[in-house]
Amino acid sequence: KAGVTQTPRYLIKTRGQQVTLSCSPISGHRSVSWYQQTPGQGLQFLFEYFSETQRNKGNFPGRFSGRQFSNSRSEMNVSTLELGDSALYLCASSLERGNEKLFFGSGTQLSVL
Amino acid sequence: GQQVMQIPQYQHVQEGEDFTTYCNSSTTLSNIQWYKQRPGGHPVFLIQLVKSGEVKKQKRLTFQFGEAKKNSSLHITATQTTDVGTYFCAGPPNSGGSNYKLTFGKGTLLTVNP
Repeated sequence: KAGVTQTPRYLIKTRGQQVTLSCSPISGHRSVSWYQQTPGQGLQFLFEYFSETQRNKGNFPGRFSGRQFSNSRSEMNVSTLELGDSALYLCASSLERGNEKLFFGSGTQLSVL
Repeated sequence: GQQVMQIPQYQHVQEGEDFTTYCNSSTTLSNIQWYKQRPGGHPVFLIQLVKSGEVKKQKRLTFQFGEAKKNSSLHITATQTTDVGTYFCAGPPNSGGSNYKLTFGKGTLLTVNP
């Protein structure tokens, strides 16, 4: 079974730009979660999707958004990038619940200059 | 909100020594999960504990869930260089209803001197 696939692997953007990250979950997994990982804050929950519906959202500004498609693939978007958005963005899939046995992708390393 | 704390933040050991990391939650957990992240890698699910006082073993790794379901520990016997990485504990909020997310501790970075 293929694992969780995230693209792109690396991104370099400048302040004010926007970015879209993509995630393909493990086949059969219907829940997709997104986490931001930074050295100072660790893993911070962004949002979770199931059946194209956002079930939970973390404490991030509205510049962070996401969606899920009917095939369970998910995208997240960050608009008006700030320097502090530089981080590793991790997507994780699970069968249904989004809060147990998460399988993470390799992440997208975003650098904002 | 729920907080999950881990100690120590860093641990350096000689190969063959034992290692333990501790995890404490500010609220009761329905379950506790452990993940390992190798340097440059992504978190990988290790195990989930559900019952109060539960102990599970995976080869040299022993996981415990506290009686009050607010704390947990991971113990590695006779560390090897392959054990290097950051170990995270994580738990879902116990606020009832539909909270489909995990709160992660900040992790313990283990380094092993061969």
